Order: sequence, then structure tokens, then C-alpha cells
Amino acid sequence: EDQVTQSPEALRLQEGESSSLNCSYTVSGLRGLFWYRQDPGKGPEFLFTLYSAGEEKEKERLKATLTKKESFLHITAPKPEDSATYLCAVQATGFQKLVFGTGTRLLVSP
Amino acid sequence: KAGVTQTPRYLIKTRGQQVTLSCSPISGHRSVSWYQQTPGQGLQFLFEYFSETQRNKGNFPGRFSGRQFSNSRSEMNVSTLELGDSALYLCASSPRTGGNEQYFGPGTRLTVT
Repeated sequence: EDQVTQSPEALRLQEGESSSLNCSYTVSGLRGLFWYRQDPGKGPEFLFTLYSAGEEKEKERLKATLTKKESFLHITAPKPEDSATYLCAVQATGFQKLVFGTGTRLLVSP
Repeated sequence: KAGVTQTPRYLIKTRGQQVTLSCSPISGHRSVSWYQQTPGQGLQFLFEYFSETQRNKGNFPGRFSGRQFSNSRSEMNVSTLELGDSALYLCASSPRTGGNEQYFGPGTRLTVT
């Protein structure tokens, strides 16, 4: 069964304090690994898709990396507006279904 | 380009009633997936529709059903509501099926009393 585990559950940072979020996964044939950001009361907002081990993608202060067993979302010099829940999901080859982790709640204090 | 829209945004129903939720995908997108989000279980896949056909189904009881129209708009129906059906129901739109990025709508918050 496809599974995604995210850690930590919650993370509190000071503005400018860089850190990483972890996503460990098992999937029967990885089609893609997805990162989403979700603000309270809103739907998940698409951030990145990673397809193969060694791949990296960046967007502003965020950088996502992928290995054969896990993905990291690195946040460099975060700002308070980066506060949100970050969700990781995997998709198996040939299927549309996304299997999500439970997310990491990030709070960035000024 | 307009994003995914879902109606209604909020809904309060009583146990035993049924409910229909609507989703309009991004223009040109033909795949619509539905997810249930609860604090305890997180986001769980309900089903996917592509070209008016259900392609995949998650592990939910038969009370949960859906359909897709020729314009790609989709509806989800839940019959005989239970308290545990209270959740945020999210619709996700994608250009094709079989593995692609999915873009989520704002969700419908369903409360069952």
C-alpha cells in the first residue's frame, strides 16, 4: 500500500531561520511526488512536482529535492507569510489518485 | 485563467439527509478528482472522473457517488449522511488522467448535525 509520512508535525521558526521539512514515502512505481501549501480554510495550492531521484526544483524561498525514499522541502530565510501547512503526496504510475501525508504545520514568527 | 470553483462553500445538513456538491474544473481540464479532508484522516481520495467515466475509486462506502457531465463539470453526492461525513470536500482538476498535477478548488465545508 502506498504511504507517505511527513515530519515534523509542526515547526516553529523565527523569521530568517532556515529549515527543512521531510517526506518519506513508499509507492509501487513512482509517477510523481507533489508538494502543496495549504492555508487555513483554503484548498491546497500546488508548489512542485518531482519525478525522479536527484531532481530539484526551486520557487522563491522554497527548494524541493527527491531521493528514492524521501523528499525534502528546504525553506531558506522564511518570512511570516510562509506560515501554512505543507503537504506532500505521491502518485503511482498510471493512476490519478494522490496519496497524501498528514502535513507539516509551519509557523514563522517575526 | 479561472481556477477550480466549488459550490456551495458551506453546508449544514442533518443526519440521514443527502447532499450534492458541485465542481467546475479549470477550462480545458477533463479530469476531476474528489478528496475528503478531516483533521483525523487528512486528505483521502474519493474518486476520479475523466470523460464522464469514473476511472478510480477510493475506499469509501457506496453512499458516496459522483458523476461528470459533458462539459467536465462534476457533482458528488452523499446519501444518508452520518456525523462522520463532516469534512472539507475538495475537488481537483487536471488536464488529463493517468498521472498529472492536480489543481484544487477552495472546497465545500460540510457539517452534519
